[in-house]
Amino acid sequence: GNSVTQMEGPVTLSEEAFLTINCTYTATGYPSLFWYVQYPGEGLQLLLKATKADDKGSNKGFEATYRKETTSFHLEKGSVQVSDSAVYFCALKVKAAGNKLTFGGGTRVLVKP
Amino acid sequence: EAGVAQSPRYKIIEKRQSVAFWCNPISGHATLYWYQQILGQGPKLLIQFQNNGVVDDSQLPKDRFSAERLKGVDSTLKIQPAKLEDSAVYLCASNKAGANTDTQYFGPGTRLTVL
Repeated sequence: GNSVTQMEGPVTLSEEAFLTINCTYTATGYPSLFWYVQYPGEGLQLLLKATKADDKGSNKGFEATYRKETTSFHLEKGSVQVSDSAVYFCALKVKAAGNKLTFGGGTRVLVKP
Repeated sequence: EAGVAQSPRYKIIEKRQSVAFWCNPISGHATLYWYQQILGQGPKLLIQFQNNGVVDDSQLPKDRFSAERLKGVDSTLKIQPAKLEDSAVYLCASNKAGANTDTQYFGPGTRLTVL
């Protein structure tokens, strides 16, 4: 079946630190990969996506590269801000599975000033 | 464009009571999803509609949960009777046609507390 594994949190960082959240997946078929973010008190928002191998998704200073050889889609940001404090979810969609999203467990990130 | 709308935002009920949630997807989006997000976990799909037909309800506890999308637009999810373990946030999402490259847009969710 399809599954997503991401590093457990919470991850606590100081402002301007480098952030990496690891995400690996297993999928039957060729998945599209996504990072969603959930800010405190808000709904899930798409942060970035990549639909084929070696694609790089980017948004708001965050980046993730679709690595088919390592089945990974790690999220990175070079210099985090307090406003990046949120829960981050890695997810995949496979056409053969009806295009439903399969999510990882989420990683809580707390950025301190 | 307006986003995915859900109501109510919060609901508190006692176990064995019934509850219903409503979702209105983004206009023109054929595919609608209901997810259950238990505290500290990622969302899990309950049911997926394509227009007014069910595509996937394999994870829906059908003895107590039901959902409909009669006119292929808005949808309701019902729990009857509720159990303590149903306490969660219920998320509605939609996308245009269900291609695996399409972005799913999520509503704000309904937080259900079962006492």
